[in-house]
Amino acid sequence: GAVVSQHPSRVICKSGTSVKIECRSLDFQATTMFWYRQFPKQSLMLMATSNEGSKATYEQGVEKDKFLINHASLTLSTLTVTSAHPEDSSFYICSASTGRGAGNTIYFGEGSWLTVV
Amino acid sequence: AQKITQTQPGMFVQEKEAVTLDCTYDTSDPSYGLFWYKQPSSGEMIFLIYQGSYDQQNATEGRYSLNFQKARKSANLVISASQLGDSAMYFCALLPLAAGTALIFGKGTTLSVSS
Repeated sequence: GAVVSQHPSRVICKSGTSVKIECRSLDFQATTMFWYRQFPKQSLMLMATSNEGSKATYEQGVEKDKFLINHASLTLSTLTVTSAHPEDSSFYICSASTGRGAGNTIYFGEGSWLTVV
Repeated sequence: AQKITQTQPGMFVQEKEAVTLDCTYDTSDPSYGLFWYKQPSSGEMIFLIYQGSYDQQNATEGRYSLNFQKARKSANLVISASQLGDSAMYFCALLPLAAGTALIFGKGTTLSVSS
């Protein structure tokens, strides 16, 4: 079964509204979670690194006020897309690390398809 | 700079044949890991295989094997006996082994398996 759960899997929202995506680690405590964005037929682009109890570290070019990341507990990180626009429509996927970086300790959520209309 | 390069945007193979997906990497870190993921059209990232930079043997997982050539900084994925269900996008990724670092992905290769 999934060790990282992401919700919702698909969401449609209206322009100007905000949408929240949750990423939960089910079987372990994730000190670090990562948020990626992926456009069709392209690679995963790292948006931010989310550390429990501290502010997220955003990659260059990612607007921190638009993509709000909160990692309030060791099992939950959330990405909120604020004032969404159609160009924010994309596939968003999270991953969680136990921090040790070995081969089987990086887990991905199922991903969330966001469509802004 | 840390970088992963996948030079094959698309690959085509017939069922039951073997196929090699290329991946080269660049890193100055002495310790790192190399991953391959499969991403079907549903979007989920399916972990296939992992190779650590200090692993002496090439990694194998069922029909998947990783041809690790450290001096050449290459980590090609070999899929033996291709199946129709192998059609998907494949990503090679580099993980510097410092705590809390993110995977660095290549651009991916779309594999199409035909009958």
